[in-house]
Amino acid sequence: DQQVKQNSPSLSVQEGRISILNCDYTNSMFDYFLWYKKYPAEGPTFLISISSIKDKNEDGRFTVFLNKSAKHLSLHIVPSQPGDSAVYFCAAASGGSYIPTFGRGTSLIVHP
Amino acid sequence: GAGVSQSPSNKVTEKGKDVELRCDPISGHTALYWYRQSLGQGLEFLIYFQGNSAPDKSGLPSDRFSAERTGGSVSTLTIQRTQQEDSAVYLCASSPGLSGYYEQYFGPGTRLTVT
Repeated sequence: DQQVKQNSPSLSVQEGRISILNCDYTNSMFDYFLWYKKYPAEGPTFLISISSIKDKNEDGRFTVFLNKSAKHLSLHIVPSQPGDSAVYFCAAASGGSYIPTFGRGTSLIVHP
Repeated sequence: GAGVSQSPSNKVTEKGKDVELRCDPISGHTALYWYRQSLGQGLEFLIYFQGNSAPDKSGLPSDRFSAERTGGSVSTLTIQRTQQEDSAVYLCASSPGLSGYYEQYFGPGTRLTVT
């Protein structure tokens, strides 16, 4: 039973365009959401997070949007760069639990 | 400063052998996590240590898996009588503690291959 779902295993985008990575969750107790980026042969690195009290958080080229009613969040990368090519993991956590639940990841390829 | 380190980076072992994987967290981080990632899968939680509290072992897939954390720092994940389905990348992460609990810093992982 996947509580955090990333339904697109891969995404291909042209350099300079917007990349939109999606994530859905089923557990209404989740109140904190994170995105991690992972390059091959490296561990994931934290990218951006959002609390359930917000619906948007922005950090440079990266913006995360949260739609609580739809139990959906998305990561927007604008403009996309070839160095953004990586696997992106969505994760969710609930207050009182310090163990985030991860999705299976979406592989983003940004073409020059 | 130094990040999370793991050793070995790669381990090939025969079915039935025991293996030990090591994790050195970031100095001062009180929380430590072990995950594994099988091919095409997400990160599967295994075990969580926080300070001197009893670890959360709820993710360990069988009693062949165990982990310890000595002195609140280095952690060792032990897999006894390895099976082919144990083949995966084993990732360790640490977290600062009272703040930034959810923002984990991952090591590069240990790729375990059981033949």
